[in-house]
Amino acid sequence: NAGVTQTPKFQVLKTGQSMTLQCAQDMNHNSMYWYRQDPGMGLRLIYYSASEGTTDKGEVPNGYNVSRLNKREFSLRLESAAPSQTSVYFCASSGSGGTGGFGNTIYFGEGSWLTVV
Amino acid sequence: GENVEQHPSTLSVQEGDSAVIKCTYSDSASNYFPWYKQELGKRPQLIIDIRSNVGEKKDQRIAVTLNKTAKHFSLHITETQPEDSAVYFCAPRGRGKLQFGAGTQVVVTP
Repeated sequence: NAGVTQTPKFQVLKTGQSMTLQCAQDMNHNSMYWYRQDPGMGLRLIYYSASEGTTDKGEVPNGYNVSRLNKREFSLRLESAAPSQTSVYFCASSGSGGTGGFGNTIYFGEGSWLTVV
Repeated sequence: GENVEQHPSTLSVQEGDSAVIKCTYSDSASNYFPWYKQELGKRPQLIIDIRSNVGEKKDQRIAVTLNKTAKHFSLHITETQPEDSAVYFCAPRGRGKLQFGAGTQVVVTP
């Protein structure tokens, strides 16, 4: 059981470039999330998917798009990267039960360090 | 949505002393109260959680207490050790969108 796997681990982008962060989980979880964490800051929710086929905006969705490709995979796309998007990105998932799995433990990937220059 | 506040933002304790972090929330429908620990450069991981039908839960040196009337819950770490140095996040779950507290940096000095 790998848990939550995200790629790439490190990436440097130039302003205006695009890229996709990939995430997959093997725990058969319904809910998946993308967070960003800036230095010394907490976790801010970008987008989440309560179940396969649905996605919703979190606190800071501007500049990002997501795709819930299937139950396992949830990708995050930066269409035109900006220096303000320099951050550590965490993908996460949680199991079903209650309201779309919101009441259960969240399991995080190892993080993706993104720098936009 | 949920308003979540954590206090203190930083906490420095001597090894062997106790540490307490408090999390307040606004959504009275919240029914799940977890604490996550994040070591430097690592991912956050659940260390303890409690549900709304329980007032206190203990796991070795860590405990969580819940006061639903006052809408706050606390993380207690006893006999602190250097490996307890980390950032701790609360993440109460209710009807609104998911939200983590801003985090508490705990430093345990030998």
